[in-house]
Amino acid sequence: QVQLQESGPGLVKPSETLSLTCTVSGGSISSYYWSWIRQPAGKGLEWIGRIYTSGSTNYNPSLKSRVTMSVDTSKNQFSLKLSSVTAADTAVYYCARANWGFDYWGQGTLVTVSS
Amino acid sequence: DIQMTQSPSSLSASVGDRVTITCRASQSISSYLNWYQQKPGKAPKLLIYAASSLQSGVPSRFSGSGSGTDFTLTISSLQPEDFATYYCQQSYSTLGYTFGQGTKLEIK
Repeated sequence: QVQLQESGPGLVKPSETLSLTCTVSGGSISSYYWSWIRQPAGKGLEWIGRIYTSGSTNYNPSLKSRVTMSVDTSKNQFSLKLSSVTAADTAVYYCARANWGFDYWGQGTLVTVSS
Repeated sequence: DIQMTQSPSSLSASVGDRVTITCRASQSISSYLNWYQQKPGKAPKLLIYAASSLQSGVPSRFSGSGSGTDFTLTISSLQPEDFATYYCQQSYSTLGYTFGQGTKLEIK
């Protein structure tokens, strides 16, 4: 059974960079697309972007200038960096496997942007 | 980018009812439409992929239909555990895998 686990700081200061890692267990990270998705409290889901195990990426146009994703196949991990954060970036961040739909999800991690 | 519009935004129903949620895309997305269920404090769960294919382990009372711009999720007989928020999501355009705004299904 594939499992995903997000990790990273729960508190980030405004203007700094949010960094999260997703560790995949129970299966190989290879040959799939992997995505980050976020959800502000009480609101809907926003797709941030996706990365293939080759390192190829696609980002949400509204976030593209601030997003960088990377993958480390040797560690079965992929990562998200979101720069110049503001309070509007406060949300639960999920990592997910993009197959036919997002079929496996992490439990989510709350990231708060505050000084 | 492709906009996804769900209706209704909220819905009250009773156990045993048949419920339909609709999702409309701003342009044709063929059958690249997925449905999710989300309960409070939990990650979304994939129910239906490719518009009408039931994800493994999902009860058969859930079904999906549609293609092009108009799609529906149907729950044939509501169970207590089905009260949740439902989202549609298009996977047609890698410029943005957009989600609908959600439909909250509440107990009447």
